Amino acid sequence: DQQVKQNSPSLSVQEGRISILNCDYTNSMFDYFLWYKKYPAEGPTFLISISSIKDKNEDGRFTVFLNKSAKHLSLHIVPSQPGDSAVYFCAASARSGYALNFGKGTSLLVTP
Amino acid sequence: GAVVSQHPSRVICKSGTSVKIECRSLDFQATTMFWYRQFPKQSLMLMATSNEGSKATYEQGVEKDKFLINHASLTLSTLTVTSAHPEDSSFYICSARDPGSGDNSPLHFGNGTRLTVT
Repeated sequence: DQQVKQNSPSLSVQEGRISILNCDYTNSMFDYFLWYKKYPAEGPTFLISISSIKDKNEDGRFTVFLNKSAKHLSLHIVPSQPGDSAVYFCAASARSGYALNFGKGTSLLVTP
Repeated sequence: GAVVSQHPSRVICKSGTSVKIECRSLDFQATTMFWYRQFPKQSLMLMATSNEGSKATYEQGVEKDKFLINHASLTLSTLTVTSAHPEDSSFYICSARDPGSGDNSPLHFGNGTRLTVT
């Protein structure tokens, strides 16, 4: 039962443009959401997070938006760079300190 | 920042043998570590939660006798795949949270272990 869903397996964006990665979740108990970036044969690297008390969190080129009523979050990368090409995982947890539930990932390709 | 080290990065073994994977927190102590598994083009699936000094908690469908977890110290957890079979071939990743970074600190992941059972 996939509680975190990333419905786009891949996304291609031109360098300099905005990348928007989407994530939906079904468990209304989730209150902490994260985005991870992963390269092949490596573990995920933490990018940015947001708690359910906020609707936006920004860190440099990365912004995460949370819409609790729609159970939807998105990651915006602007401007996109070729080095951003990787698989991006959305993750969520129901309580602080608990394990994370992951989506299947979206493979982002940023072309020069 | 918090670092989690995992070893080995890649292992090939014959069917029926056992393989041990180590996960270490390098600059923090972790009373809890999480073991995940990822199949190709799939999400990371939680296998078990490793608790220092006590038994691991396994997710539904994960055989505790096959995937032995030992968390003997605050910086080391091991996952042993016993009597490995080809269907156990997967990417195994451990993770831990630095308790000193606050309640909502992110999980930090090791670089994973690619297990291939022939």
